[in-house]
Amino acid sequence: GAGVSQSPSNKVTEKGKDVELRCDPISGHTALYWYRQSLGQGLEFLIYFQGNSAPDKSGLPSDRFSAERTGGSVSTLTIQRTQQEDSAVYLCASSLARQGEQYFGPGTRLTVT
Amino acid sequence: RKEVEQDPGPFNVPEGATVAFNCTYSNSASQSFFWYRQDCRKEPKLLMSVYSSGNEDGRFTAQLNRASQYISLLIRDSKLSDSATYLCVVNRNGDMRFGAGTRLTVKP
Repeated sequence: GAGVSQSPSNKVTEKGKDVELRCDPISGHTALYWYRQSLGQGLEFLIYFQGNSAPDKSGLPSDRFSAERTGGSVSTLTIQRTQQEDSAVYLCASSLARQGEQYFGPGTRLTVT
Repeated sequence: RKEVEQDPGPFNVPEGATVAFNCTYSNSASQSFFWYRQDCRKEPKLLMSVYSSGNEDGRFTAQLNRASQYISLLIRDSKLSDSATYLCVVNRNGDMRFGAGTRLTVKP
């Protein structure tokens, strides 16, 4: 079946612009996660959605970052007034249940110039 | 102290070697455990879940020691294609914590 998809695969933007990154989880997966990974670094947790519960936003690095998940499926991560330090690969993952294994999308490589 | 700790390596081994990675976690309430592999510039991919009784998948064996709070991964008869970064992952009620990864290079 279809895996997790993300779009765009690459995004180059100017400092100060807003960007939206999209994630389509595996159908039926109730949990959805956003991470970012800078070059040569580990995964940094950003936000977690579980069903209709309030999201866990504890990993968002600043109030310029926000995310929503519409209808319990597609999620959008928005970064406002981008900064150069926001350059990274943004990964989305979904899982069937809270304790289950996660499946990752291919990521969006964001470059802020 | 990081919640999930791994030796970053790199581990450089010849083809056919056996290599073992360990990972320790700090939260005793952690409930499920996984190993992922990540190739350069690719997303992490699930390698295997880790069960309390230990589990094996071909050349890969994973073990969990809850009392000592560590997880291990053993790779036997290593192949060139095993070269990757191996991530230890610990889950507590949906809160997934990733280790920084151990880099493995298998050489001819």
